[in-house]
Amino acid sequence: QKEVEQDPGPLSVPEGAIVSLNCTYSNSAFQYFMWYRQYSRKGPELLMYTYSSGNKEDGRFTAQVDKSSKYISLFIRDSQPSDSATYLCAAQLNTGNQFYFGTGTSLTVIP
Amino acid sequence: DGGITQSPKYLFRKEGQNVTLSCEQNLNHDAMYWYRQDPGQGLRLIYYSQIVNDFQKGDIAEGYSVSREKKESFPLTVTSAQKNPTAFYLCASSMRKGGTEPQHFGDGTRLSIL
Repeated sequence: QKEVEQDPGPLSVPEGAIVSLNCTYSNSAFQYFMWYRQYSRKGPELLMYTYSSGNKEDGRFTAQVDKSSKYISLFIRDSQPSDSATYLCAAQLNTGNQFYFGTGTSLTVIP
Repeated sequence: DGGITQSPKYLFRKEGQNVTLSCEQNLNHDAMYWYRQDPGQGLRLIYYSQIVNDFQKGDIAEGYSVSREKKESFPLTVTSAQKNPTAFYLCASSMRKGGTEPQHFGDGTRLSIL
């Protein structure tokens, strides 16, 4: 079993929709969680970085962590065509420099 | 502007040839990483370094080598022993050895076989 599992999609939504992207993880020791956005032929760009359980909001983006169910989510409100990209979730232990990535979900927002 | 610079953007390798991918960062980060990205497989860790002159193998180190002679630089050599080198290679860095800051990535090098 992979440490972090993510549905690869692809996911296609109309412009203005609310998008929900999800990951599950297996290691209850993970404390830090990240969401990255990756455009085609570019490197991943950090979107959200959260510690432990709870919500974090940044503009149209909300990251949610539920440690009891080992579930992490990214919500995108009022989705735009420019949000079309692959979204990667990642997790990190409390110490050390190793990161565990999901395989990414491909999102297309249709104008 | 602080960031991670990877070069070249595209690279072609002939059979039996070693090639070196460059990664430079001006973020003053201690830790640096190399990942390989293949479609449907996500990011796989090749090597990482937490401090100058020290590095550790990741999950798929065979056929690759690295050096860390300067804090800013972490070049990756894809050797002829790597039989399937065609992939998108990503370099990343994070602030502190043993710390919990997130990784930041360069824009990658796409390596293909001639």
